[in-house]
Amino acid sequence: GNSVTQMEGPVTLSEEAFLTINCTYTATGYPSLFWYVQYPGEGLQLLLKATKADDKGSNKGFEATYRKETTSFHLEKGSVQVSDSAVYFCALSAQVSGYSSASKIIFGSGTRLSIRP
Amino acid sequence: DAGVIQSPRHEVTEMGQEVTLRCKLISGHNSLFWYRQTMMRGLELLIYFNNNVPIDDSGMPEDRFSAKMPNASFSTLKIQPSEPRDSAVYFCASRAKRTGTEAFFGQGTRLTVV
Repeated sequence: GNSVTQMEGPVTLSEEAFLTINCTYTATGYPSLFWYVQYPGEGLQLLLKATKADDKGSNKGFEATYRKETTSFHLEKGSVQVSDSAVYFCALSAQVSGYSSASKIIFGSGTRLSIRP
Repeated sequence: DAGVIQSPRHEVTEMGQEVTLRCKLISGHNSLFWYRQTMMRGLELLIYFNNNVPIDDSGMPEDRFSAKMPNASFSTLKIQPSEPRDSAVYFCASRAKRTGTEAFFGQGTRLTVV
């Protein structure tokens, strides 16, 4: 079936450190891939996305590359800030069996990131 | 655009009572997702509607849960009767017509069943 596995947290880094949060997926066909971010008390917000193999999504200094050969979509940032502290979710959009034009979005378990000043 | 609007933001109810959560989609969106978030189970997809039709309800926990889309812009999630283990944050999210695009989330409803 379709699933997303991401790095367990919590992850604690110092400000300006390099960040990697690993994400791998299992899916039939060619899913779109997403990273969402959730700040305390809020809903999820799209951070970046990629819709086909080798695409790189980027936003606010974060990047992730759609790697079909390794079924991965790892999130990276070169220099994190205290304001990046949040929970990060990897997700995929997977076609629903029997419906050619319908796809559901499945999330990983989330990774809590804390940045120390 | 006002975004996805959920109500209420917080709900506290007694075990056995009926609870109704509400969601207004972004105008023009045709897909609707209900998710439940807990510390133990993370973010679970409960049900997915496309063009007002339930496409996948495999995540609905049991018969106590039901969801409807009476029109293209509004949805309800009902729990009857509620139980303490239903306590969670419930999110709805909507998506535009093309598949493969991102979903936009509401602020969530924090449900506490005592």
